[in-house]
Amino acid sequence: EPEVTQTPSHQVTQMGQEVILRCVPISNHLYFYWYRQILGQKVEFLVSFYNNEISEKSEIFDDQFSVERPDGSNFTLKIRSTKLEDSAMYFCASSEEGELPQHFGDGTRLSIL
Amino acid sequence: RKEVEQDPGPFNVPEGATVAFNCTYSNSASQSFFWYRQDCRKEPKLLMSVYSSGNEDGRFTAQLNRASQYISLLIRDSKLSDSATYLCVVNPRTGGFKTIFGAGTRLFVKA
Repeated sequence: EPEVTQTPSHQVTQMGQEVILRCVPISNHLYFYWYRQILGQKVEFLVSFYNNEISEKSEIFDDQFSVERPDGSNFTLKIRSTKLEDSAMYFCASSEEGELPQHFGDGTRLSIL
Repeated sequence: RKEVEQDPGPFNVPEGATVAFNCTYSNSASQSFFWYRQDCRKEPKLLMSVYSSGNEDGRFTAQLNRASQYISLLIRDSKLSDSATYLCVVNPRTGGFKTIFGAGTRLFVKA
């Protein structure tokens, strides 16, 4: 069964550094998403991406964050100047269409020191 | 009112029991609804979509009540492996495919 893959599985970074989280969505999917989940809290929507542009973003997704689809397969989330409160699990997801179920990768655990 | 609200539980039930969860949503224009399950420190996994006519998949039944703005999940003949957090997920039809997760309901099934 096709799956969404995310790398790395765990990223440890010093506060103030930039990180790039990588995702390979399912190949025939057109819609891509990033979520975060702080330990013990709910899954929070960050951004949706379609046709090479952001279709919607949440209040969390401020200027510190950016997304990119640099080639035909990867979908990345960049966090500039990381803060301690950015420590969380980050999930990538994809779907065939915008209102169809999303399939999630197994996440990247980001730890900011 | 929260956009998506769930009873956090936990629900502690014996094997073989029937258990039901409800979820309410605030945006009446919402069109797509799903139940996901999440095991501890794992990714959410789709359990089932929720349709207006209701739908069933084996031991799981999902219902949608648009008038009261809630969806439900019924699990029959609970198994130990059903122990997880059940997440209610709503697309509020804001035009950009924003997705709202409930905080989840924890289920423990005991032998």
